[in-house]
Amino acid sequence: KNEVEQSPQNLTAQEGEFITINCSYSVGISALHWLQQHPGGGIVSLFMLSSGKKKHGRLIATINIQEKHSSLHITASHPRDSAVYICAPRLLIQGAQKLVFGQGTRLTINP
Amino acid sequence: DSGVTQTPKHLITATGQRVTLRCSPRSGDLSVYWYQQSLDQGLQFLIQYYNGEERAKGNILERFSAQQFPDLHSELNLSSLELGDSALYFCASSVASGQQYEQYFGPGTRLTVT
Repeated sequence: KNEVEQSPQNLTAQEGEFITINCSYSVGISALHWLQQHPGGGIVSLFMLSSGKKKHGRLIATINIQEKHSSLHITASHPRDSAVYICAPRLLIQGAQKLVFGQGTRLTINP
Repeated sequence: DSGVTQTPKHLITATGQRVTLRCSPRSGDLSVYWYQQSLDQGLQFLIQYYNGEERAKGNILERFSAQQFPDLHSELNLSSLELGDSALYFCASSVASGQQYEQYFGPGTRLTVT
């Protein structure tokens, strides 16, 4: 079993729809990143959170440490949101940080 | 633009060869992380350096090595290259090594081994 499970693997939606991507992990973590990777390959860190909820523009990330679950929401989705979204829990091992990665959710927003 | 730079952007080489990938962290960041993204394995953590010292090791092959120099730039050396080493290699940097510090990713180096 993978340490990190994301769902769905692929998601196609119409512009304006509310999007939810889920991430479950099986290990204790110190924090969790949500990353965005565009077709060109570059990676942008959208959020790093260790509890509760964070909001940036139309993006919202939540985490429940006890349930080992995080969600990324996109409100009023737009074609420019089309990208791969990757959940990356951060493990703390002997004082050092290590990111583990989900397989990613490929999101396509059609106009 | 994250402020992290990587060179080269693309690299094509043959099996058995050795290459060096370079990463310059954001100004002021002491910690550098290397990641590999391949089609079959996805993203994987390779290694972390903090202020010149190795801090954490992930799934890094023995054929691969890295170092961080006094000016804080880092190099990832890949030797005896195999077809399966073809991947995107990212570095990221953070101010320090603790859990509260954000990581900023570079644009990546795309390595193709033929």
